[in-house]
Amino acid sequence: SQQGEEDPQALSIQEGENATMNCSYKTSINNLQWYRQNSGRGLVHLILIRSNEREKHSGRLRVTLDTSKKSSSLLITASRAADTASYFCATVPYGGATNKLIFGTGTLLAVQP
Amino acid sequence: GAVVSQHPSRVICKSGTSVKIECRSLDFQATTMFWYRQFPKQSLMLMATSNEGSKATYEQGVEKDKFLINHASLTLSTLTVTSAHPEDSSFYICSARDEGLANTGELFFGEGSRLTVL
Repeated sequence: SQQGEEDPQALSIQEGENATMNCSYKTSINNLQWYRQNSGRGLVHLILIRSNEREKHSGRLRVTLDTSKKSSSLLITASRAADTASYFCATVPYGGATNKLIFGTGTLLAVQP
Repeated sequence: GAVVSQHPSRVICKSGTSVKIECRSLDFQATTMFWYRQFPKQSLMLMATSNEGSKATYEQGVEKDKFLINHASLTLSTLTVTSAHPEDSSFYICSARDEGLANTGELFFGEGSRLTVL
């Protein structure tokens, strides 16, 4: 399976703390994306990082990509209770259809108020 | 941002019946849509790629006769679960790409449809 692995599977923190989630994947990629899913809902795109980029920021989000290790991390700074959700990384394999995303296993983040 | 609408959000049916789920791109055109399946507390598994005006492309292990996909227009794709059984109970999610945002790579997702087969 090409599915990526994420760790931790679950993460519980206090409001105001930072949350770091990691994603590892198996094949070369065009880009890697992070999505958020609230319980029982659809997915919302957070950020995309291309294979030639190493770091990207968007608001309280910081994403890093290490293609040599085939891994990425998502950092959420100054977390809020509203950040409670599942977070998935998704990759577009190199040479594959640009829209065909392969999702990781996800990290369930709980931010305690 | 682009909006994808999925209907119904929840459906309960008896074993042996067929259920149709609709996925619509509301404010953009989508020549390609994707159907995913998600089991509780698990990741999304791509089932098939829906292509406007042509046959869908199914992932390995997905029965095309079981999960019928039709993409009759640039804004609508449907997934029909035929002769549903309890093991088909799952959360089905569709996604689409805004052709006008060609280089972003971002997919827009529907809110999902929870199917329960009794």
